[in-house]
Amino acid sequence: DSGVTQTPKHLITATGQRVTLRCSPRSGDLSVYWYQQSLDQGLQFLIQYYNGEERAKGNILERFSAQQFPDLHSELNLSSLELGDSALYFCASSQRGGSNEQFFGPGTRLTVL
Amino acid sequence: EDQVTQSPEALRLQEGESSSLNCSYTVSGLRGLFWYRQDPGKGPEFLFTLYSAGEEKEKERLKATLTKKESFLHITAPKPEDSATYLCAVIPLYNFNKFYFGSGTKLNVKP
Repeated sequence: DSGVTQTPKHLITATGQRVTLRCSPRSGDLSVYWYQQSLDQGLQFLIQYYNGEERAKGNILERFSAQQFPDLHSELNLSSLELGDSALYFCASSQRGGSNEQFFGPGTRLTVL
Repeated sequence: EDQVTQSPEALRLQEGESSSLNCSYTVSGLRGLFWYRQDPGKGPEFLFTLYSAGEEKEKERLKATLTKKESFLHITAPKPEDSATYLCAVIPLYNFNKFYFGSGTKLNVKP
């Protein structure tokens, strides 16, 4: 158990809908990262927050947005969902970001029908 | 362009048959290299961090080494429970907020 929690574990929705994925980092970690992993594909970095502020952006679509709240939990919002958005979404946290190792949560499996 | 390449894509071993996985990277300066293990449908599990050429880390049957352009994950006398996908990630010196992940090596250890 990495100490990172993600909810929900599974999410099934229809095209065009909007969903919110939630992540709670390990105690004491200030940095949160979001990743997408499609079937048999590698981890694609989406976005990073550090202590409430956006730090780095990867291949995140404009339909996707995220935020980190004062209690350090983070939410990833996915809107106007398409079939291709079906994937595992992972959250990871690290102490400060930068060269610190990241610890991953169990993921949210999103299925768009 | 920054790249992380892992080889082989898949590896099948007999129990007890030692081997090595490779992670080669092209970044303008390395801040850190990380190895993870991922089981199907689960989040990656942190294994090792390496920062400088010549560094080595060990954990049970796994040993990670680092040179200036690549890292190896050596698996000694593997067991079926070592079957997983092993991921390598790097952080470049100039952009330390980004992890670049390789596509992984899928290891299958048969009893």
